[in-house]
Amino acid sequence: GQQLNQSPQSMFIQEGEDVSMNCTSSSIFNTWLWYKQDPGEGPVLLIALYKAGELTSNGRLTAQFGITRKDSFLNISASIPSDVGIYFCAGQLGMAGTASKLTFGTGTRLQVTL
Amino acid sequence: NAGVTQTPKFRILKIGQSMTLQCTQDMNHNYMYWYRQDPGMGLKLIYYSVGAGITDKGEVPNGYNVSRSTTEDFPLRLELAAPSQTSVYFCASSRGAGSPLHFGNGTRLTVT
Repeated sequence: GQQLNQSPQSMFIQEGEDVSMNCTSSSIFNTWLWYKQDPGEGPVLLIALYKAGELTSNGRLTAQFGITRKDSFLNISASIPSDVGIYFCAGQLGMAGTASKLTFGTGTRLQVTL
Repeated sequence: NAGVTQTPKFRILKIGQSMTLQCTQDMNHNYMYWYRQDPGMGLKLIYYSVGAGITDKGEVPNGYNVSRSTTEDFPLRLELAAPSQTSVYFCASSRGAGSPLHFGNGTRLTVT
């Protein structure tokens, strides 16, 4: 099946620092999604990208859909303690007539120190 | 707006027991999904449904069954629980193909 490699696996940063994480795939996707998961909760959608080359922001978060359609990155600027959690990338083919089956990366665990 | 609701939050089963994980959504989404999440791993698709009366296998369907009698509900059934089914189970729904998924808060299942 499709594989998504997400890096880094974990990172410790200080409050106020910028964060960057990325995701690469062995095959193309039509949609890239970034989710955040807090302990004991389900993943929550942060950003959805629908077009190759698209750059989208959501507050302090910025994500880009790679030109090759095989990668995406997520940046968080000026991190704050509530940014702590696990960030997952997910690729979606989303072809007409099929379900929106997602392929998930293995996650990046972010910890923010004061 | 409740979104996707899963029950129970936690459950411990003995090997060979059966149980049903409940999932309901109030967003009138056609598509529903069941994923499992093992420690340190991403989510893997178990089963999905594109509408009432229609279900299909995902990546890891063995040992599970589903039904979709209504748009709102998508229960997941374990018939003979095995230790390999210890995991956190997430239900999700989406409006349609290509639409982002909305997840419930998960059911943590331990099989001993």
